[in-house]
Amino acid sequence: EAGVAQSPRYKIIEKRQSVAFWCNPISGHATLYWYQQILGQGPKLLIQFQNNGVVDDSQLPKDRFSAERLKGVDSTLKIQPAKLEDSAVYLCASSLVAGMVETQYFGPGTRLLVL
Amino acid sequence: AQSVAQPEDQVNVAEGNPLTVKCTYSVSGNPYLFWYVQYPNRGLQFLLKYITGDNLVKGSYGFEAEFNKSQTSFHLKKPSALVSDSALYFCAVRDGPNDYKLSFGAGTTVTVRA
Repeated sequence: EAGVAQSPRYKIIEKRQSVAFWCNPISGHATLYWYQQILGQGPKLLIQFQNNGVVDDSQLPKDRFSAERLKGVDSTLKIQPAKLEDSAVYLCASSLVAGMVETQYFGPGTRLLVL
Repeated sequence: AQSVAQPEDQVNVAEGNPLTVKCTYSVSGNPYLFWYVQYPNRGLQFLLKYITGDNLVKGSYGFEAEFNKSQTSFHLKKPSALVSDSALYFCAVRDGPNDYKLSFGAGTTVTVRA
């Protein structure tokens, strides 16, 4: 079974530029998550989708971050404009459903460096 | 709100010795607890979870964890560490059945020396 796919793996941009990350979850997984992992910290949830609807985006900086999952499968996370403090690894995860016993499976992440 | 503490930034052990990575949690309801491991330039890999039942949970790669409600702890253990266990370990918690948000600790770097 293929795992969670993410691209690109690495991205370097200058501040105020825009950037987009792509995630393809495990086949059949209804729930998709985007996390931000700053160096030296644990992952922090940015947004959670159930199929193509948003379940939780309370920690998403909506003035600059946006995410979509239009067809309920793959997802895109965008930052516009980027700030220096956005330098982090962006992790995508998926689970079968958003149930209490469901395990989240993570992709390899996209490492973003904002100069 | 739920939270997780991993009191040790780093744990160093010799190969063949027991390995323990500590985790304490705070929730308002019943905790659902997870351990993940992260190797360099790779995503998080699931090791094990506690939802209910037996306090001792067995997981992947010979790891186990013990849930202790009175001490609000969920320490990860391995009886005999391998050099290949060297990685970054994260403890995570959900606050009961009505909150699906997973909150992670800051992580513990484990180094196993040959």
